Amino acid sequence: NAGVTQTPKFRVLKTGQSMTLLCAQDMNHEYMYWYRQDPGMGLRLIHYSVGEGTTAKGEVPDGYNVSRLKKQNFLLGLESAAPSQTSVYFCASSPFRAYEQYFGPGTRLTVT
Amino acid sequence: SQQGEEDPQALSIQEGENATMNCSYKTSINNLQWYRQNSGRGLVHLILIRSNEREKHSGRLRVTLDTSKKSSSLLITASRAADTASYFCATGAAAETSGSRLTFGEGTQLTVNP
Repeated sequence: NAGVTQTPKFRVLKTGQSMTLLCAQDMNHEYMYWYRQDPGMGLRLIHYSVGEGTTAKGEVPDGYNVSRLKKQNFLLGLESAAPSQTSVYFCASSPFRAYEQYFGPGTRLTVT
Repeated sequence: SQQGEEDPQALSIQEGENATMNCSYKTSINNLQWYRQNSGRGLVHLILIRSNEREKHSGRLRVTLDTSKKSSSLLITASRAADTASYFCATGAAAETSGSRLTFGEGTQLTVNP
């Protein structure tokens, strides 16, 4: 049981490049989330999903897109990366009607 | 905007001492949770307290919730060097109807010196 996994672990992009971050969970959780964490700050919600085929905006969605084609996977896309998107990105999942979230190890992204 | 604000931002204690961290929030909640983050790692859920509860224990952790003051505290007793980490409070809004979204505070960095 791997829990929540994220790929890649590290990535460096140039301004304007695109990339996709993959989150996978093997716990059959309904809900999945993408957060970003910046130095000295807590986590801010980017997008989330309450089930396969559904997505919704969080607190800071601009510049990101997401897709949840399969229940176990939640993809975060950056179409045209900007230096302001330099951050550590965390994925999390949660069972239906449960409150606690289970986090992946994070992806450290640097945009130059 | 951040729902939770934590105090202190940083705390340094000796092994064996107790550590207390506080969290304040602004809107009505249905639950409050505490998470731990070790350096370079993801967050790990520690404990959850519902809005109709006032105190909860789990091992060396004790959480209190005062909804009238919109505040919570996390007490770690008999601290160990392995407790060194950042601790975050997270709140679930009372109006949340689906998705179990949480709003996180900025965290308290706890250092336990051997």
